[in-house]
Amino acid sequence: QVQLKESGPGLVQPSETLSLTCTVSGFSLTSYSVSWVRQPSGKGPEWMGRMWYDGDTAYNSALKSRLSISRDTSKNQVFLKMNSLQTDDTGTYYCTRERYSGGLDWGQGTLVTVSS
Amino acid sequence: NTVMTQSPTSMFISVGDRVTMNCKASQNVGTNVDWYQQKTGQSPKLLIYGASNRYTGVPDRFTGSGSGTDFTLTISNMQAEDLAVYYCLQYNYNPWTFGGGTKLELK
Repeated sequence: QVQLKESGPGLVQPSETLSLTCTVSGFSLTSYSVSWVRQPSGKGPEWMGRMWYDGDTAYNSALKSRLSISRDTSKNQVFLKMNSLQTDDTGTYYCTRERYSGGLDWGQGTLVTVSS
Repeated sequence: NTVMTQSPTSMFISVGDRVTMNCKASQNVGTNVDWYQQKTGQSPKLLIYGASNRYTGVPDRFTGSGSGTDFTLTISNMQAEDLAVYYCLQYNYNPWTFGGGTKLELK
């Protein structure tokens, strides 16, 4: 059974760095790509970036200067780091698995609030 | 970036209604469009991939259609459990982009 679970701090100070972990089970990170998607409350989701199955990365150009995605395949984990957080970075952050035939499987999400 | 414009933004419907919602891409995305359903407090769930392919376990009252720039999600016989926000996603161009959503509410 495919599972993805996000974890990280619920509260981040403005200008600080956000660090999130996505722990996966039921599939291999060397066979499937994993994307991070975020969603401000009451708004549509935003694709942030991807860890390809082969270890390469791709980023949304709007976030590229602040965002880094990495992984530890031995621990079945994908990591997101984003610096210089502001209040409009508040929202729910999801990790997703990209299915071969199309579509995304989603984790439960983790709420991140940027506030002092 | 490819802008995905969903319409309407909200709909007031009754159980049993036929519901049609639209998603328009700012450029040709082929059939590289998914539809997701998001209920309050939950993560989005895949309904349709590749514009018209129903995901495993999705009731056949959900139908996706379209190609190029215009896409449609139809619910043929609205059920109470279908109350949710529906999002389209294009994955033809980077960055992938979502629409702003269509919210279904009861009359």
